[in-house]
Amino acid sequence: DAGVIQSPRHEVTEMGQEVTLRCKPISGHDYLFWYRQTMMRGLELLIYFNNNVPIDDSGMPEDRFSAKMPNASFSTLKIQPSEPRDSAVYFCASSHGRVSGNTIYFGEGSWLTVV
Amino acid sequence: AQKVTQAQTEISVVEKEDVTLDCVYETRDTTYYLFWYKQPPSGELVFLIRRNSFDEQNEISGRYSWNFQKSTSSFNFNITASQVVDSAVYFCALSEATGTASKLTFGTGTRLQVTL
Repeated sequence: DAGVIQSPRHEVTEMGQEVTLRCKPISGHDYLFWYRQTMMRGLELLIYFNNNVPIDDSGMPEDRFSAKMPNASFSTLKIQPSEPRDSAVYFCASSHGRVSGNTIYFGEGSWLTVV
Repeated sequence: AQKVTQAQTEISVVEKEDVTLDCVYETRDTTYYLFWYKQPPSGELVFLIRRNSFDEQNEISGRYSWNFQKSTSSFNFNITASQVVDSAVYFCALSEATGTASKLTFGTGTRLQVTL
């Protein structure tokens, strides 16, 4: 079975450029999550969707970050303009049902470096 | 607020040694779920186990076992006869069942290094 698919796996971009990270959740999963992993802050939840609707975006660091889920099989996380402090690994994850009662599965991550 | 503490930042063992990774959690809920994930050097996060707060039975899967003790708010992970392939960062995580939030709160992780 296909897991959560993320692209790109690695991206190096210059400060000020727009970055778009993409995610395809596991088919049939109705929750989608975007996490960020940094050395300083560990794994932190940025935003999550239920049935394509954003439910909680309180973890989105600032207005430069935006996320969309136009359909059940695709989501994007966009950073515009990017800054060096955005360098991190961004994970997309999905689950069938609420995390509290189900397992959340992660993609392989998108490793972002902003120079 | 929920919190997960993994006090061990890094553990180094020689292959075949047994090792325990500690996880202590805080929550006000009576219903919650605990998880362990493995992050190997390649970077992906691999699900290992989920346990709900009503099930205190210990779980064993091959060389891996998990010890859940509500009395001490701990959910420790044991590896018997460690192998080099066990080298990874291991994360403990907690999710509460109440409210509208569906969040997974992670600990800071324990890096396990297994050498020959």
